[in-house]
Amino acid sequence: GENVEQHPSTLSVQEGDSAVIKCTYSDSASNYFPWYKQELGKGPQLIIDIRSNVGEKKDQRIAVTLNKTAKHFSLHITETQPEDSAVYFCAVVGYNFNKFYFGSGTKLNVKP
Amino acid sequence: DSGVTQTPKHLITATGQRVTLRCSPRSGDLSVYWYQQSLDQGLQFLIQYYNGEERAKGNILERFSAQQFPDLHSELNLSSLELGDSALYFCASSVDAGPNTGELFFGEGSRLTVL
Repeated sequence: GENVEQHPSTLSVQEGDSAVIKCTYSDSASNYFPWYKQELGKGPQLIIDIRSNVGEKKDQRIAVTLNKTAKHFSLHITETQPEDSAVYFCAVVGYNFNKFYFGSGTKLNVKP
Repeated sequence: DSGVTQTPKHLITATGQRVTLRCSPRSGDLSVYWYQQSLDQGLQFLIQYYNGEERAKGNILERFSAQQFPDLHSELNLSSLELGDSALYFCASSVDAGPNTGELFFGEGSRLTVL
């Protein structure tokens, strides 16, 4: 199966700073890369995604970049706010969309 | 609110017992996924159903089984429970199971504690 590695496991930033979370994957056939945010006591929720035919996607303060050759993708959060504090999971989905493989998660703490 | 409903929210039971977790997907979603999240761990994919049929299997133990019913709700059965089965079990749904799957919508989880 797919092997997804996510780094760092914890990240602490000052409010207003940027945060970057990186994931690598092993299966070159994977073609869909979503990011989910999990707030305390809740289920994960999609915040942004990218498909393999696109190198970068932005949505206000968040962006995702994909390097298919190197098999890694990253989540970028700019101008972080305390409400960005949560656990973030990357996921990798194969060509048949049957399996979503999640990274181990990054706990982001934004200090006011 | 994602539209995915999971019951019960919390469950405490003893080793060796059997429990059933229930999931109602979002209205219109045909695909249901089950994930296990142990303490401070990631999301481990267990199994996926699409329109009543098993579509994909992950790291699901033989002591665990699942099914999706004609009304599209799903149940995850956990038997011969061990301490290590204590975890948060998430159900997620999506409209499709192919290239148009897109977003997974997660429920709030069922927290299982095995004593």
